Amino acid sequence: DTGVSQDPRHKITKRGQNVTFRCDPISEHNRLYWYRQTLGQGPEFLTYFQNEAQLEKSRLLSDRFSAERPKGSFSTLEIQRTEQGDSAMYLCASSFRETGNQRGFSGNTIYFGEGSWLTVV
Amino acid sequence: AQKITQTQPGMFVQEKEAVTLDCTYDTSDPSYGLFWYKQPSSGEMIFLIYQGSYDQQNATEGRYSLNFQKARKSANLVISASQLGDSAMYFCAMRELANTGNQFYFGTGTSLTVIP
Repeated sequence: DTGVSQDPRHKITKRGQNVTFRCDPISEHNRLYWYRQTLGQGPEFLTYFQNEAQLEKSRLLSDRFSAERPKGSFSTLEIQRTEQGDSAMYLCASSFRETGNQRGFSGNTIYFGEGSWLTVV
Repeated sequence: AQKITQTQPGMFVQEKEAVTLDCTYDTSDPSYGLFWYKQPSSGEMIFLIYQGSYDQQNATEGRYSLNFQKARKSANLVISASQLGDSAMYFCAMRELANTGNQFYFGTGTSLTVIP
């Protein structure tokens, strides 16, 4: 399977514990994204990497959240001191970086993994 | 203001019939892309179709077509000949050229149920 893979798919943890999710993007993609999705909502942007550099972080990403992509390949998302409000699905996605200026888009979409469901009890 | 608005929380369609899922968007960027994703109960977001703001023709991908009305800022998804496997959540998303690094803005989704 050459798609985006995420691990674990499901995690139940007690409030206050730390959790870590891993994402392996499509191998030739240099951009990697983390999104969060709660019930009844669309995905909300958390952060993205271009290669190993973390280029943007959303306000949703509190200081309890940290994401890394040490070698520009896989990424980890760690949540420290989990709270019940952290319960959500965490989606990873990857894409190519568009190069040059262009009128309009090339249609460079992002491809998602199956997500990691987090339940904080 | 919401970047993407999907006003239909749930839709039902008879198998083999066509269905239209509504999406309106808000942007001041003249260059943008509009996307539709399908999310089955397994959770994976599956890319369906893309429309660029400068594209002259409506996008089509198999049974999926995008009814793009730029002046009205709408990008409705049309699914023809619905199949039971089409039952899922459908999300409309937008990406702006001025914002190429990062964000896709998603709507709240429409739950589609195909009735046998």
